[in-house]
Amino acid sequence: KAGVTQTPRYLIKTRGQQVTLSCSPISGHRSVSWYQQTPGQGLQFLFEYFSETQRNKGNFPGRFSGRQFSNSRSEMNVSTLELGDSALYLCASRGGLRRNTEAFFGQGTRLTVV
Amino acid sequence: EDQVTQSPEALRLQEGESSSLNCSYTVSGLRGLFWYRQDPGKGPEFLFTLYSAGEEKEKERLKATLTKKESFLHITAPKPEDSATYLCAVQASQGAQKLVFGQGTRLTINP
Repeated sequence: KAGVTQTPRYLIKTRGQQVTLSCSPISGHRSVSWYQQTPGQGLQFLFEYFSETQRNKGNFPGRFSGRQFSNSRSEMNVSTLELGDSALYLCASRGGLRRNTEAFFGQGTRLTVV
Repeated sequence: EDQVTQSPEALRLQEGESSSLNCSYTVSGLRGLFWYRQDPGKGPEFLFTLYSAGEEKEKERLKATLTKKESFLHITAPKPEDSATYLCAVQASQGAQKLVFGQGTRLTINP
């Protein structure tokens, strides 16, 4: 069974640009969450999607947005990039009927803003 | 506000030297506590889920336990390949599917 796939693995962008990251969850999983990981702040929750609806959002500015498609694949977008957006962006998928099952993470997308 | 504190920040052991990592939490109704292992440049790898105080889970050299205020990850006779950062996360009753993570413990096992 394939795991969570994130593309691309690495990205270098310039301040002010925008970026789109992609995540394909484990087959059959309908919940997809996004996290930002930095050395200073650790792993922080961005948002969670289930059946194409955003169910929860973390404390990030509106420049961070996401969406989920009918096949459960998800994208997140960051507009007007800032140097502080440099981070490892992780996607996690969850399956099962219970809402507190384990989350499986992808390898992440390393975003560098210069 | 939900909080997770892990200690120590870093731990260096000799191969075969057993020890424990701590995860203290404050949460408004615990729905689950999760342990992950993360290698440099990779995503977190799921290890265990604990749902209620008194619960224990084991996998190879690792054993996770849970009380009402903290969780321990016990590592018995570790090997160099156990070197990684170990992350603890909680999911509260409020806040849907959001996981709140600790800062992690960076474990190094010397041969």
